[in-house]
Amino acid sequence: DAGVIQSPRHEVTEMGQEVTLRCKLISGHNSLFWYRQTMMRGLELLIYFNNNVPIDDSGMPEDRFSAKMPNASFSTLKIQPSEPRDSAVYFCASSLTQLSTDTQYFGPGTRLTVL
Amino acid sequence: QKEVEQDPGPLSVPEGAIVSLNCTYSNSAFQYFMWYRQYSRKGPELLMYTYSSGNKEDGRFTAQVDKSSKYISLFIRDSQPSDSATYLCAIWGAQKLVFGQGTRLTINP
Repeated sequence: DAGVIQSPRHEVTEMGQEVTLRCKLISGHNSLFWYRQTMMRGLELLIYFNNNVPIDDSGMPEDRFSAKMPNASFSTLKIQPSEPRDSAVYFCASSLTQLSTDTQYFGPGTRLTVL
Repeated sequence: QKEVEQDPGPLSVPEGAIVSLNCTYSNSAFQYFMWYRQYSRKGPELLMYTYSSGNKEDGRFTAQVDKSSKYISLFIRDSQPSDSATYLCAIWGAQKLVFGQGTRLTINP
């Protein structure tokens, strides 16, 4: 299995532009988590889905952020418009279920820089 | 107060030393405790998992949980340069994982 796949690996954009980050889950996994990591705030959960349904989006910082799961194996995180403070590494992770006992497997991350 | 507190370090020790990494948490309802390891430019990966007070060993790694003090630790024995990474504690609470800040560890040959 290839593991969780994220694209792009690096993204540099200008303030105000739309950014779309993509994630492909491990086959057979039903839960998908989006995290953001910065030096100041560490690793923060933004939103998670179970069986394609958003369960908890309380970590989404603002309305500029939106996430979708159009099918069981793929998700997008969109930022529109982007701002410099959005610069961070964005990870998605998948697990078999949303239960605490199921390991979350992280992708390699997308390093976003907003100028 | 953050739900999970972890000293970000950095921590630098010589090869072969015993390393102690620690986290405190605020919610006594938290039940499941994990340690993730993150190499530079990579995603975190689960290292150890425990849900009870006491010690759990896996090779050179020992995870310790003290629920009465709301304190968790990760010990690394005979540390190796390949152990150099950021170590994040993670605690399952309120239906989600809450991560500590992460401690950057360097093992010097």
